[in-house]
Amino acid sequence: EDKVVQSPLSLVVHEGDTVTLNCSYEVTNFRSLLWYKQEKKAPTFLFMLTSSGIEKKSGRLSSILDKKELFSILNITATQTGDSAVYLCAVYNNNDMRFGAGTRLTVKP
Amino acid sequence: DAGVIQSPRHEVTEMGQEVTLRCKPISGHNSLFWYRQTMMRGLELLIYFNNNVPIDDSGMPEDRFSAKMPNASFSTLKIQPSEPRDSAVYFCASSSGQGWNEQYFGPGTRLTVT
Repeated sequence: EDKVVQSPLSLVVHEGDTVTLNCSYEVTNFRSLLWYKQEKKAPTFLFMLTSSGIEKKSGRLSSILDKKELFSILNITATQTGDSAVYLCAVYNNNDMRFGAGTRLTVKP
Repeated sequence: DAGVIQSPRHEVTEMGQEVTLRCKPISGHNSLFWYRQTMMRGLELLIYFNNNVPIDDSGMPEDRFSAKMPNASFSTLKIQPSEPRDSAVYFCASSSGQGWNEQYFGPGTRLTVT
């Protein structure tokens, strides 16, 4: 059965810390992996990864995919309180998208 | 652009009633997705359309759920009859291209079935 597993489930850090969120998957006919940030309401898109080893970067956030080992990481450097959210990883194949349970990140001042 | 628009934002109904959720995708986007999110099950894809055609509805929980996209700017998700276990936040999202690109989510409809 296809599955997406995120770790840790929750994480508490202080402002300025660097965090690494993990997403591992077992999906047939993998096409892409996506990262979303969800605060109180709807998810917002962060990255879409299709190829191994190519880092996607946006400000303090970056992500990379390893299709051989079937995982992706999301890094956040110099965390801020505004980074507090649930970070969702999703993997899609030809006709379906499967989400992980999310990592709840809390950044304390 | 106003983004993805969903209505209503909140819906409270009694078990057995019909519920219709509405979505207007971002203009020019040709893929539309309906998701459901609950504490217990997380975020789940229910159905998605490409160019108004349903591509995969395997996530639709049962026959009580149906979705339509009569044109490029409007979609509905209907539950008939509704049950308390349908209580959830229902998100609509849209994207450009063949579908599995960057998706933009609407604000969601919070459905409560009593």
